[in-house]
Amino acid sequence: GAVVSQHPSRVICKSGTSVKIECRSLDFQATTMFWYRQFPKQSLMLMATSNEGSKATYEQGVEKDKFLINHASLTLSTLTVTSAHPEDSSFYICSARHLLTDTQYFGPGTRLTVL
Amino acid sequence: QKEVEQDPGPLSVPEGAIVSLNCTYSNSAFQYFMWYRQYSRKGPELLMYTYSSGNKEDGRFTAQVDKSSKYISLFIRDSQPSDSATYLCAMSAGHSNYQLIWGAGTKLIIKP
Repeated sequence: GAVVSQHPSRVICKSGTSVKIECRSLDFQATTMFWYRQFPKQSLMLMATSNEGSKATYEQGVEKDKFLINHASLTLSTLTVTSAHPEDSSFYICSARHLLTDTQYFGPGTRLTVL
Repeated sequence: QKEVEQDPGPLSVPEGAIVSLNCTYSNSAFQYFMWYRQYSRKGPELLMYTYSSGNKEDGRFTAQVDKSSKYISLFIRDSQPSDSATYLCAMSAGHSNYQLIWGAGTKLIIKP
């Protein structure tokens, strides 16, 4: 139980294009989902917290217009990287907070490469 | 000073050894403590979840929390090459305050 999926697992895109990443809790409901970014050999950096049906809360330094987050249901959140640039290349990981246990479960991550 | 300090390693030990991984923290409000394991290019996987002080055991893994010293540990017994990964500690202040504060992660290498 408590499985979180992410799609796609890997994406390569051209500079200037937008990329959407999906995060799904497969067997539990999650009122809150989190989006992290991880650079090589570094720890997780929280980008934003998204609550179902409301606007996401972004961490300081994270551009909300660049990283659009939608949390339309208790099992799905999406992150759209708009007008991607090479410096946006990173490993993006989502997590979902289990509605009943409050534990965070992580997705497998999405590796974004912007050429 | 970071809220959570964790030695990034790498920590290299022979197969079968007991591994000790540690984190220290500065915020006395932290009550929930977690250890995650992350394999290369994968998302973190929850290993252990403890509340307040004390020990918790799950198979070859034991988590210890010493709130008086603001120090948490993860012990791995009979270490296996498959345990080679980065281990991250994380903690939060309360059940409703769910933002996790992360350690930098310790890279563990188990040599066959």
